[in-house]
Amino acid sequence: GDSVTQMEGPVTLSEEAFLTINCTYTATGYPSLFWYVQYPGEGLQLLLKATKADDKGSNKGFEATYRKETTSFHLEKGSVQVSDSAVYFCALSDQTGANNLFFGTGTRLTVIP
Amino acid sequence: NAGVTQTPKFRVLKTGQSMTLLCAQDMNHEYMYWYRQDPGMGLRLIHYSVGEGTTAKGEVPDGYNVSRLKKQNFLLGLESAAPSQTSVYFCASSYAHIGEKLFFGSGTQLSVL
Repeated sequence: GDSVTQMEGPVTLSEEAFLTINCTYTATGYPSLFWYVQYPGEGLQLLLKATKADDKGSNKGFEATYRKETTSFHLEKGSVQVSDSAVYFCALSDQTGANNLFFGTGTRLTVIP
Repeated sequence: NAGVTQTPKFRVLKTGQSMTLLCAQDMNHEYMYWYRQDPGMGLRLIHYSVGEGTTAKGEVPDGYNVSRLKKQNFLLGLESAAPSQTSVYFCASSYAHIGEKLFFGSGTQLSVL
């Protein structure tokens, strides 16, 4: 079935470092892909999404490109801030007609000053 | 602007007890969802609703029941709680189908002893 495999964490970076969080997927058909972020004590928030191959989603300095050839949707940011410390979830939309998102296990990012 | 509100935020139950989690949204969204979040497993869909008076099963529906009597409310019930239901529960809503942005509540931490 459809699934998402996400980079194990936790990830600790210094402020202004480059961030990559890897996400690969297995799916039949053409799912939409998402990155959600969960700040401490809060629910998840949509960070960005892409709906077809080669689409690039971007928001708040974060980017991810839908790569069908490598079945990947890696999250990147050129210069992280302390305020980016959170848990990041990759997800893909169910293609069977059920209203569901398949989430990865999440990657905790801590940015230190 | 409240968004999605979950009550209670924390609850401790004994095995066999029952309880209801309430989710309320003020965005006039048609779709509502209940997820559980467990360590190392990401979020998994329990039940969802595509409109007032409708409910459908997700990935892990066993041991739970739901009701959507009013468009703005989505209730999750545990009839006889088990330790395996210890988890963080998130409610979410969206204007349309799962490919649209999900808005999440801040979660309910449930412990079943």
